[in-house]
Amino acid sequence: GAGVSQTPSNKVTEKGKYVELRCDPISGHTALYWYRQSLGQGPEFLIYFQGTGAADDSGLPNDRFFAVRPEGSVSTLKIQRTERGDSAVYLCASSSEGGRWAEAFFGQGTRLTVV
Amino acid sequence: TQLLEQSPQFLSIQEGENLTVYCNSSSVFSSLQWYRQEPGEGPVLLVTVVTGGEVKKLKRLTFQFGDARKDSSLHITAAQPGDTGLYLCAGQSNAGGTSYGKLTFGQGTILTVHP
Repeated sequence: GAGVSQTPSNKVTEKGKYVELRCDPISGHTALYWYRQSLGQGPEFLIYFQGTGAADDSGLPNDRFFAVRPEGSVSTLKIQRTERGDSAVYLCASSSEGGRWAEAFFGQGTRLTVV
Repeated sequence: TQLLEQSPQFLSIQEGENLTVYCNSSSVFSSLQWYRQEPGEGPVLLVTVVTGGEVKKLKRLTFQFGDARKDSSLHITAAQPGDTGLYLCAGQSNAGGTSYGKLTFGQGTILTVHP
């Protein structure tokens, strides 16, 4: 595709439920990033993939959060036992390579609301 | 923990005025990026500065990286209503084992330019 695509655009779920958020990066981009943005704040780093492997998962807040990228393209962010505090916009970005000065292109985000 | 403090948080000005947004940290960054984000969209990269003291110009926007690579500023000349949006600075570093894939964002500056 022309840009980073995230689905769904909006997700409303009940507290305690499991959710999956999908990211389709720009074709050929080897690096993929997940960020979380709360209202009125800048994005907060969650995890960074280089190919299929997680190169840096230091931003995942706890073990309820998990992300995969099994074939080095599409990535899924999985959240178990959702809590109201998980409500935020989840942003995905990709770049042609990871590392210094890599230009990341962001998707439009998935707005997650936990009620 | 690396932090980026952005100021001001809100800026409301009239068309034609000049403005400056500041991004400060006690940490040294390898590079500093500036993004613009519109409602319902992901951040879009405006510029990357990598050398201490570097100045980059993008039409009416001037970006500066501090000599010590701990701070940056964005100056807009003769602001227009189309400049309205959320402006974010983001730092990249591999200090302390941090991967270059992790961007540390400031909390953002919401700019409103009135016609």
